[in-house]
Amino acid sequence: KAGVTQTPRYLIKTRGQQVTLSCSPISGHRSVSWYQQTPGQGLQFLFEYFSETQRNKGNFPGRFSGRQFSNSRSEMNVSTLELGDSALYLCASSRLVDGGGSNSPLHFGNGTRLTVT
Amino acid sequence: QKEVEQNSGPLSVPEGAIASLNCTYSDRGSQSFFWYRQYSGKSPELIMFIYSNGDKEDGRFTAQLNKASQYVSLLIRDSQPSDSATYLCVVKDTGRRALTFGSGTRLQVQP
Repeated sequence: KAGVTQTPRYLIKTRGQQVTLSCSPISGHRSVSWYQQTPGQGLQFLFEYFSETQRNKGNFPGRFSGRQFSNSRSEMNVSTLELGDSALYLCASSRLVDGGGSNSPLHFGNGTRLTVT
Repeated sequence: QKEVEQNSGPLSVPEGAIASLNCTYSDRGSQSFFWYRQYSGKSPELIMFIYSNGDKEDGRFTAQLNKASQYVSLLIRDSQPSDSATYLCVVKDTGRRALTFGSGTRLQVQP
């Protein structure tokens, strides 16, 4: 079974631009969560989508948005990029909503490393 | 104050020793606790979860939970160089439903 696939692996953007990241979950997984990982803050939850609906949202500004398609694939968009948005963005899929429990563990992709200059 | 606190390390132990990784959390409403392992340049993977006070063993790994002290730990027995990674303590609050990750403890097992 294929794992969680994130594209692209690396991105370099300049301040003020916008960016779209893509995540394809494991087949059969309907929940997709997005996380931002930085050396200083660690992993921080952005949002979770399940059945094309946002179910949870972290404490990030409205510049960060996402969506999920009928095939469970998800995209994350960041508008008006800032230097502080430079990070590794991880996508995780799980079978059930509120993923993370023993019966629905999170499976992470390899991430997209975004650099904002 | 961070919601999930971990010593960043590195924690260095010799091969064959017991590695003890500790974590404290601030939200008493937390219900579920997980340990994820992240190798350098790789994504996190779940290695243990614990819900009830006490110890839970899985192979060389033992998770310990003390809700009164708001403390979670992970013991790795017979540490191997392949255990060298960053270990993330993760807490789930049923009310908020999302996961809160600690910043991780980097473990180095010396051959």
